[in-house]
Amino acid sequence: EPEVTQTPSHQVTQMGQEVILRCVPISNHLYFYWYRQILGQKVEFLVSFYNNEISEKSEIFDDQFSVERPDGSNFTLKIRSTKLEDSAMYFCASSRQESSYEQYFGPGTRLTVT
Amino acid sequence: QKEVEQNSGPLSVPEGAIASLNCTYSDRGSQSFFWYRQYSGKSPELIMFIYSNGDKEDGRFTAQLNKASQYVSLLIRDSQPSDSATYLCAVTSGTYKYIFGTGTRLKVLA
Repeated sequence: EPEVTQTPSHQVTQMGQEVILRCVPISNHLYFYWYRQILGQKVEFLVSFYNNEISEKSEIFDDQFSVERPDGSNFTLKIRSTKLEDSAMYFCASSRQESSYEQYFGPGTRLTVT
Repeated sequence: QKEVEQNSGPLSVPEGAIASLNCTYSDRGSQSFFWYRQYSGKSPELIMFIYSNGDKEDGRFTAQLNKASQYVSLLIRDSQPSDSATYLCAVTSGTYKYIFGTGTRLKVLA
């Protein structure tokens, strides 16, 4: 059964450093998402991406964040200058169509900012 | 601010019993509703989705939707210890995003 994959599983970085989180969505899916979950808190929407552009973004997704689909398979989230409060699990998700249809989540990347 | 509310629990049920999980949402425009299961330290796993008022059954799981009351529920029949997890309710907001509740922690006692 196809699944969303994410790398790395755990990333430790120092405050102010740039990180890139990588995702490979399910191959026939057209819509891609990033969510984050701070430890003990709810899953929060960051951004959705379709047809090589951002469809919607949340207030969390400020100028420090960017997304890209550099090739036909990868989908990346870049945080330009990490802050302590960026420490969280970051989940990539994909769906065949827009959010009326089911989103399937990857295993997540645990980002720790020290 | 559009919200999805869930009782955080824990909800404890004996093995073999029915577990009933509830969720309310504030956005009357929401069209699609999802239940995810999340084990500790893992990602959300989709277990049910429902788009129309009424009941939808899949194996031991039944999702119930009442749009007039802005209420979604999940019933788990014949609960097993392996069902012990946090159950997340997610609701579509606009076209592209989900809003998640904080989740209900379910404990099935052997």
